[in-house]
Amino acid sequence: QQKVQQSPESLTVSEGAMASLNCTFSDGTSNNFRWYRQHSAKGLEVLVSIFSDGEKEEGRFTAHLNRANLHVSLHIREPQPSDSAVYLCAVSPTGNYKYVFGAGTRLKVIA
Amino acid sequence: ETAVFQTPNYHVTQVGNEVSFNCKQTLGHDTMYWYKQDSKKLLKIMFSYNNKQLIVNETVPRRFSPQSSDKAHLNLRIKSVEPEDSAVYLCASSSQGAHERLFFGHGTKLSVL
Repeated sequence: QQKVQQSPESLTVSEGAMASLNCTFSDGTSNNFRWYRQHSAKGLEVLVSIFSDGEKEEGRFTAHLNRANLHVSLHIREPQPSDSAVYLCAVSPTGNYKYVFGAGTRLKVIA
Repeated sequence: ETAVFQTPNYHVTQVGNEVSFNCKQTLGHDTMYWYKQDSKKLLKIMFSYNNKQLIVNETVPRRFSPQSSDKAHLNLRIKSVEPEDSAVYLCASSSQGAHERLFFGHGTKLSVL
């Protein structure tokens, strides 16, 4: 069964510094990866989706996927205090029903 | 902008009671889901409903049952709540296709006393 683990559990960065979040998965046949953000007030929103090895950028958010290493990361360029939230990694071998979520990284951006 | 609407936002009840949560999506999607998020923020899928086909996560207790009147609505009923049912229940929808993303509602927080 797919296992998805995120690190670190929590991260504090200064405004403007790069924030890097990690996600490892156990099923090497997975080909659907998404990063979500969960604000207490806004609910869950998708930030970036990636389906093949390499890099995918959506605004200030960049995902890097390396399936050989069972690793997908999220980099947030110039984070702002409003980016403070829980970030969730979701991995699936085949599509939406099978997504398994990590436990999240709580990001705090200080001014 | 929210397009997946859940009610209620919060619900407090006692062990053994029955509760129902509502979910409606206005995106015209074919597939809807219920997820459970525990106190550690871990999200686990409970049900998926696509064109009257129900896919159930086998680990979900039988006291949970989804109810769908049409593809825009997917409600969740819990027959006799237990303390471990305290969690946030998130409804989501997506269009068909393996690469289509999920749109989530804001969740219903259930507290079982």
